[in-house]
Amino acid sequence: TQLLEQSPQFLSIQEGENLTVYCNSSSVFSSLQWYRQEPGEGPVLLVTVVTGGEVKKLKRLTFQFGDARKDSSLHITAAQPGDTGLYLCAGVRSGGSYIPTFGRGTSLIVHP
Amino acid sequence: KAGVTQTPRYLIKTRGQQVTLSCSPISGHRSVSWYQQTPGQGLQFLFEYFSETQRNKGNFPGRFSGRQFSNSRSEMNVSTLELGDSALYLCASSLDMAETQYFGPGTRLLVL
Repeated sequence: TQLLEQSPQFLSIQEGENLTVYCNSSSVFSSLQWYRQEPGEGPVLLVTVVTGGEVKKLKRLTFQFGDARKDSSLHITAAQPGDTGLYLCAGVRSGGSYIPTFGRGTSLIVHP
Repeated sequence: KAGVTQTPRYLIKTRGQQVTLSCSPISGHRSVSWYQQTPGQGLQFLFEYFSETQRNKGNFPGRFSGRQFSNSRSEMNVSTLELGDSALYLCASSLDMAETQYFGPGTRLLVL
């Protein structure tokens, strides 16, 4: 069983559409991170959220940490082809070690 | 500042062989972590080194080992390769494990 479940696994949309990616768990996290990974590259950190209910915006990307710190979402407004990539969430469990646990990722393709 | 570099980028080996992968962290970073990424399991933590000492280890067999040198460069070794070891091996460096991790581009290993 994966500690962090991401959905959907795959997403193929047209440029200009909106989308939301979810990251869910039954565990509580002290922090949660979102990464984007492009083919042939390593993951690049987009944001870290640490407070329950926290919302962070990065241009057209909006990240939310659940009130109970067990889940998170990533919303992209007016997606562009440059948003194509694998989106990964990673959480550091409360009371545990600081080793992050990664979800399997959501593969996003934005068609022009 | 140069990013994390990993060598080689691609590697093809046969079952039973061994392989050594190298990671050069960002200058000043003392923590180096290794991850295995596969489509089925996602990103899984292998181990973390800090100041030449292994501080944390994931749930991988003893065939997977690593070390860190005084200049923080790290190597990962896999002995007696199995087909299932085919994966993208990612290295990440940070000032300390609890700090933001910066990933390298990875080494793609194919075991035939």
